[in-house]
Amino acid sequence: AQKITQTQPGMFVQEKEAVTLDCTYDTSDPSYGLFWYKQPSSGEMIFLIYQGSYDQQNATEGRYSLNFQKARKSANLVISASQLGDSAMYFCATAGGTSYGKLTFGQGTILTVHP
Amino acid sequence: DGGITQSPKYLFRKEGQNVTLSCEQNLNHDAMYWYRQDPGQGLRLIYYSQIVNDFQKGDIAEGYSVSREKKESFPLTVTSAQKNPTAFYLCASSIGGHIQYFGAGTRLSVL
Repeated sequence: AQKITQTQPGMFVQEKEAVTLDCTYDTSDPSYGLFWYKQPSSGEMIFLIYQGSYDQQNATEGRYSLNFQKARKSANLVISASQLGDSAMYFCATAGGTSYGKLTFGQGTILTVHP
Repeated sequence: DGGITQSPKYLFRKEGQNVTLSCEQNLNHDAMYWYRQDPGQGLRLIYYSQIVNDFQKGDIAEGYSVSREKKESFPLTVTSAQKNPTAFYLCASSIGGHIQYFGAGTRLSVL
């Protein structure tokens, strides 16, 4: 079984600054993936970034990077140079190697970017 | 343009009625999924399908049914047995069990 914990219900950041959204996970699978999704007020889930449990390097996608610390079971999302359009709900999720893509989501963090 | 289309965007259900939510994808993905999202919550898996004519229950399948007769289509029926159907429903697809891409969702309310 997998579990995702996002302890920050809401976060605020000034435009152009960096922000870190926390995510810790628990899984019994030896191989797993970690995902971050963005959900704007429209409701659609937008894939941002993926990290495999055996990847040696932290994943990066443009302004998004995933700070993966396997021993601490954390997979924090770092957004650099925040933009007003980054204001949204952000979800961390995991899928184990034996669970065929069945994503387990956290409760989410609402990010508000101030001008 | 490739993507996942969910319809309708808004749906209302009367007491005792079954309603069907549509999900179509033209990404040639083999796997498809249905999730439910309650206000302020994360997503929970209802059903998923790895290949045509095969599907498995997720964590909250009671009161729901699905079919997978075509690779492109994975409709979800919310039956009258689902006593609390008001939620936001999201469909997703993936190649194998990897990164899932989502549709725009259907908001279901009870009249």
